[in-house]
Amino acid sequence: DAGVTQSPTHLIKTRGQHVTLRCSPISGHKSVSWYQQVLGQGPQFIFQYYEKEERGRGNFPDRFSARQFPNYSSELNVNALLLGDSALYLCASSPHLRDEQFFGPGTRLTVL
Amino acid sequence: TQLLEQSPQFLSIQEGENLTVYCNSSSVFSSLQWYRQEPGEGPVLLVTVVTGGEVKKLKRLTFQFGDARKDSSLHITAAQPGDTGLYLCAGLNYDYKLSFGAGTTVTVRA
Repeated sequence: DAGVTQSPTHLIKTRGQHVTLRCSPISGHKSVSWYQQVLGQGPQFIFQYYEKEERGRGNFPDRFSARQFPNYSSELNVNALLLGDSALYLCASSPHLRDEQFFGPGTRLTVL
Repeated sequence: TQLLEQSPQFLSIQEGENLTVYCNSSSVFSSLQWYRQEPGEGPVLLVTVVTGGEVKKLKRLTFQFGDARKDSSLHITAAQPGDTGLYLCAGLNYDYKLSFGAGTTVTVRA
């Protein structure tokens, strides 16, 4: 079975631009979570979705938003990019909220 | 701010040696997970510990969950170069959110 997939793999943007990252969960998984991993740190929780509803949000500004579609795939949007948004963005899926999460390979975002 | 403190931050050992990585927190978690992450890839789940005092073994890796469910350790016996990577602990909160430590970078020299 295919694992969690994310696109694009790498992305370069300039300050002030907008970016959309995409995630396809493992088949049958209904929960998707997003994390930001800055170089040298562990992943930081951004959002969690379950059955298309937001179930949790981390300590991130309103420039960050996300949604989950009927097929359980998800998008993470970041507006007005800052240099500090440069990071590896990870998506994880699980069958239900309480289950173990499986991570995708991430999207490496560089903001210049 | 990381809720979970991992130590040491970096560890470099010779093949065949043993190593221990620690994960500590002031918070109680419903479970604690250990992941290994390779450069450019997402974290891969190694184990989940749920019960206070629980010990799990995965080949040469031994994981322990503290009695109070606030801390954990990962012990690797006879480390091999293939064990090289970033080891992350993560606590699952009662609202199903994962909180990660900053990670321990382990390098095993041949």
